[in-house]
Amino acid sequence: QKEVEQNSGPLSVPEGAIASLNCTYSDRGSQSFFWYRQYSGKSPELIMFIYSNGDKEDGRFTAQLNKASQYVSLLIRDSQPSDSATYLCAVNKGISRSNTGKLIFGQGTTLQVKP
Amino acid sequence: DTEVTQTPKHLVMGMTNKKSLKCEQHMGHRAMYWYKQKAKKPPELMFVYSYEKLSINESVPSRFSPECPNSSLLNLHLHALQPEDSALYLCASSQGQGAQPQHFGDGTRLSIL
Repeated sequence: QKEVEQNSGPLSVPEGAIASLNCTYSDRGSQSFFWYRQYSGKSPELIMFIYSNGDKEDGRFTAQLNKASQYVSLLIRDSQPSDSATYLCAVNKGISRSNTGKLIFGQGTTLQVKP
Repeated sequence: DTEVTQTPKHLVMGMTNKKSLKCEQHMGHRAMYWYKQKAKKPPELMFVYSYEKLSINESVPSRFSPECPNSSLLNLHLHALQPEDSALYLCASSQGQGAQPQHFGDGTRLSIL
């Protein structure tokens, strides 16, 4: 079992729809959770982070965390063609000194928003 | 444009060359990171510096040598690289080495001939 799992996609949604991206993780000691967007040929860009169970909203983006189910999701409302990218889920695992700061990335989900 | 600046943006080098990648941040962050990313793969952690001291080395081959001259600068010295080392090298920084978000630079695309 991979430490952080995402469906590679592609996930295709029409413009204006809600895109739902999902991520599961295996380490129950994981402390913090991040979503990065990466356009082809570019570097990852932080778009959301969440530490506590529940929802966190920022503009069109909502991150959801359920630690009991070890599940993180990202919702993108009113999807635009410019949202087409690879979305990387990343988990900061553990509290020991050797792990703190180490991000474990999922393989990424490719999102395609069709006009 | 990001607040983490990496130079050069592109680098082509032979297997016998010595070169360095540079990273600079002016956000007052005390933790800095080097990642390697191959095509269609997620970033993989190489090194972590916290308060200018090497904190994590992910068993990286010695042909990669990191250096943190001060809290704003991070270098990656390269020597005798192999063709399989061709990748996008990403620098990131965060407020501290912990749960805080990491912010990435634009990366250096490295090609080994």
